[in-house]
Amino acid sequence: KQEVTQIPAALSVPEGENLVLNCSFTDSAIYNLQWFRQDPGKGLTSLLLIQSSQREQTSGRLNASLDKSSGRSTLYIAASQPGDSATYLCAVMGGSEKLVFGKGTKLTVNP
Amino acid sequence: DAMVIQNPRYQVTQFGKPVTLSCSQTLNHNVMYWYQQKSSQAPKLLFHYYDKDFNNEADTPDNFQSRRPNTSFCFLDIRSPGLGDAAMYLCATSRGKNSGGHNEQFFGPGTRLTVL
Repeated sequence: KQEVTQIPAALSVPEGENLVLNCSFTDSAIYNLQWFRQDPGKGLTSLLLIQSSQREQTSGRLNASLDKSSGRSTLYIAASQPGDSATYLCAVMGGSEKLVFGKGTKLTVNP
Repeated sequence: DAMVIQNPRYQVTQFGKPVTLSCSQTLNHNVMYWYQQKSSQAPKLLFHYYDKDFNNEADTPDNFQSRRPNTSFCFLDIRSPGLGDAAMYLCATSRGKNSGGHNEQFFGPGTRLTVL
């Protein structure tokens, strides 16, 4: 059974800092991996999707990497801003159409 | 813009009173999902439809039912809500692996359910 772990559970940084969020999964036989952002009381916004054959994806200040063999992904946020404060969720899709989620990392960027 | 729409955004019901949550999509995606998310927890998949094929999660209570009358709409019915069913309910869609492509999931804004 696939399990997804995100460390740390919470992170507080000053504005402008570069930061890395970590995601690990137990079964390397994945179809894809998605990173989402969730603001309090809101739905999930898809940030980046990495196919199993890819190593990384970039969107603006965000860069996500995937190392399938070691069961790890990282989300790199450059030059963090207070507007980046949210919970970031990692999810993997395996053989079915279903995503398995981690519990998320709650990020606070302080002005 | 193509999107996933959920109505209502906030729903208050009484203990034991049936309630229906609605999801619609303009993405023309094959797969529609319903998730339950409680405070500070990961979304928990309740069930999903691939076209008309219904897929129930083994641990989804019988109290939860779903209908998908057409490609665009999907409903979540809670037959007798209990206090433990108070949560955010999220609808999501994807093209499905058989359609090729990245099979990215897109989420609606959610419906916050309160049970009194």
